[in-house]
Parts: sequence; C-alpha cells; structure tokens
Amino acid sequence: AQKVTQAQTEISVVEKEDVTLDCVYETRDTTYYLFWYKQPPSGELVFLIRRNSFDEQNEISGRYSWNFQKSTSSFNFTITASQVVDSAVYFCALSAVNWVFGPGTRLSVLP
Amino acid sequence: KAGVTQTPRYLIKTRGQQVTLSCSPISGHRSVSWYQQTPGQGLQFLFEYFSETQRNKGNFPGRFSGRQFSNSRSEMNVSTLELGDSALYLCASTTGGYAGELFFGEGSRLTVL
Repeated sequence: AQKVTQAQTEISVVEKEDVTLDCVYETRDTTYYLFWYKQPPSGELVFLIRRNSFDEQNEISGRYSWNFQKSTSSFNFTITASQVVDSAVYFCALSAVNWVFGPGTRLSVLP
Repeated sequence: KAGVTQTPRYLIKTRGQQVTLSCSPISGHRSVSWYQQTPGQGLQFLFEYFSETQRNKGNFPGRFSGRQFSNSRSEMNVSTLELGDSALYLCASTTGGYAGELFFGEGSRLTVL
C-alpha cells in the first residue's frame, strides 16, 4: 500500500523566514515518482516539482529547494526567504500505480 | 494551450439525487483522474481513465462512477447523494504515465443539502 504523510498540518511564519515542509512516504514499488503541488487560495493545484525514485539529487529552483532521501523515505521542501504569496496549501504526492496525496500543509506567511 | 476545464463549477443538490460532473482535459492528454477534496479527508483519489478504460479505482462506494469518451473528455457520476458527498471534485489530466505531472482543473464544488 502507498501512503504519504505530512505531519505538519499548519505552519505560520513571518515574511523572509525560511520554512521546511516535511513529507514522508511509504511504498513497496521500486519505481515511483514524488511530487509537490501548491494550492493557493484560488483553489487550483499547481505542479512544483517531480522526482523519480532513482534520482536522489537535491534541487534548487530560485527560493525553492527539495531534499529527497530514500533512506528515510522523505521528500522535504524548503522555501527560503518566504513571501506572502507563498501562502497556500502544499501537497506532497506519490505515484506508482496511481496517485496518492498527503493531507497537505497549510502555510501562512505573515507580513 | 487551454487548461483542464471542469463544469459545472458550483452546484447544489439534495440527498438522494444524482449528479454528473464533466472534465475536458488538455488537448493530447489521454489520462484523466478524479479526486475528492474535503477538509477532513484531504485529497482522495477516485479513479483514473486512460483511453476510455478505467485503469485504477480508489476506495469509494459504487455510487461513484465515471467514464471517458473517445475524445478523452471524462464524466463522473454520483448517485443517491449523501450529505457527506459535499466536496470539491477535482479533475486532472496527464499525457499517460504515472511519471508525468498532473494538470488540475479548478474543480466542481458540490453541496448536498
């Protein structure tokens, strides 16, 4: 069975603070894909990043960075110097034979 | 390139009625998946269609059904509505495999009274 856990339900930070969103997954598949999606208040989920199970290289894209560690089954997401526009619900997801989403972490960035 | 289009955006039904939601995927995308989003349960996978065939199904009762047409457009149907079916129903499309990113529509918000 596949499962995605996001232990942080809600996080509040002040603008310009760094924030890390945690994601832990479970799967028995050897080939799988991990994703992060952002759901702003407008409601439409937006794709942020994808990683496959064979690529543990961490990635940085502007203020966003991702840390994939297969040994701990984690795929964490860090926003550096957060901004008010980063306020949203962030979902971690796993796909192998279907898509499984975590419960989401609501991030509030206060001015 | 047009995005994923879902209709209707909002609807109100009463218990016992049925509802049909529509999803038009991005042109060229052959996979359409459906999700139910509620505050308590989060985003839950309903089913996925690929080339008119249901490829996967989540853990929902048989009242929830779907289909996909030859032009990849998809519909989902919920019969004998219950209060607990009130939710945002999201549709997503992708090119075909599970490696690809999902492109989501804005959703259909269903309220059951």
